[in-house]
Amino acid sequence: AQSVTQLGSHVSVSEGALVLLRCNYSSSVPPYLFWYVQYPNQGLQLLLKYTSAATLVKGINGFEAEFKKSETSFHLTKPSAHMSDAAEYFCAVSDSETSGSRLTFGEGTQLTVNP
Amino acid sequence: DAGITQSPRHKVTETGTPVTLRCHQTENHRYMYWYRQDPGHGLRLIHYSYGVKDTDKGEVSDGYSVSRSKTEDFLLTLESATSSQTSVYFCAIRIAGNEQFFGPGTRLTVL
Repeated sequence: AQSVTQLGSHVSVSEGALVLLRCNYSSSVPPYLFWYVQYPNQGLQLLLKYTSAATLVKGINGFEAEFKKSETSFHLTKPSAHMSDAAEYFCAVSDSETSGSRLTFGEGTQLTVNP
Repeated sequence: DAGITQSPRHKVTETGTPVTLRCHQTENHRYMYWYRQDPGHGLRLIHYSYGVKDTDKGEVSDGYSVSRSKTEDFLLTLESATSSQTSVYFCAIRIAGNEQFFGPGTRLTVL
């Protein structure tokens, strides 16, 4: 069974500081990995995805994530936080197509950006 | 662009009443999903569909049923709502490379 662990349910950074949101996964198959962002009272929006191409994946809004198979990690980073980055972030791993391509989500990390 | 609408967007109901939530997509994506979102749990899969009349259970399917009679519509039914089913419900479609696109959500409160 797939599983995702996000370390830290709340992360607080200052504007302009590095953002690092941690995600570790377990998967029985080569994984598809995703980061989604949810702004208050909205749905989920895809930030970026790993699909077995480049291990460093660039997404929208200056975010990127690095797939490290040896560490089973897919941490999300952004060099300089902006106030508009305040949101909840979810890491997810996809099941195989034969199992419906279902997504298993982590519990989420709430990012606060302080002025 | 993929488009999903969910209806209703907000609903308040009483324990024991039946509730149906609708998800409508504007394209012909084969896979559709229903998730619920609760604080501290992220999103959890309730049911999914891989074609008309083809559905399967997710990890939190107890108390829920689904139907898909047309490609574009995926219905989620709570036969007898309970307070534990108070949640935000999201519909999603699989678009490419196992990526899922999410609808705006339905906030359901069961009193």
